[in-house]
Amino acid sequence: DTAVSQTPKYLVTQMGNDKSIKCEQNLGHDTMYWYKQDSKKFLKIMFSYNNKELIINETVPNRFSPKSPDKAHLNLHINSLELGDSAVYFCASSPHTYIRLKRRNEQFFGPGTRLTVL
Amino acid sequence: GESVGLHLPTLSVQEGDNSIINCAYSNSASDYFIWYKQESGKGTQFIIDIRSNMDKRQGQRVTVLLNKTVKHLSLQIAATQPGDSAVYFCAENKYSSASKIIFGSGTRLSIRP
Repeated sequence: DTAVSQTPKYLVTQMGNDKSIKCEQNLGHDTMYWYKQDSKKFLKIMFSYNNKELIINETVPNRFSPKSPDKAHLNLHINSLELGDSAVYFCASSPHTYIRLKRRNEQFFGPGTRLTVL
Repeated sequence: GESVGLHLPTLSVQEGDNSIINCAYSNSASDYFIWYKQESGKGTQFIIDIRSNMDKRQGQRVTVLLNKTVKHLSLQIAATQPGDSAVYFCAENKYSSASKIIFGSGTRLSIRP
């Protein structure tokens, strides 16, 4: 059973299009995240949701809009795609909203979605 | 600015030897550090973590060392195996930023037979 799943795995699209990436976790976690990994393998957080509420919103273009219909899902919608949006997007989840020094703040990652904008 | 960075982008190690992957961080307020392993087809997985009140923590074949004085973190892998080939990321948590994790740029570890 997949703990954190993303669809699609690959997404190739033209500039200017609108696309969505879906993420689901069956771990019962409270918190979900979206990361962008560029060609140099740098993983950068974009958004974080806790129980459907946005708690982290990094400086990303407002063309990116996360949506969390319930705490098991966090979808990423991207409007007016640009060449620079090409990257691998990772969804992740964790059981803890806030760091507890006695507990592990482990994030469980999905397999990634490779987005290519032509 | 605040950053988490790795000294070497790639590391080639003979099978059976020990591997050491280094990481530097710049935010002295970080109090929690994590190593992740990213393998093609297997996703990104947690390896080991360490809190700022410790300077060493051991797992199965892995050891993380934390030197807060020089803001340096390292991951040691004993008796490196082909299955250890992957990209390794260090990451830091800033307590004031809740669950936000800042990742470094990654080091690719390749194993020579």
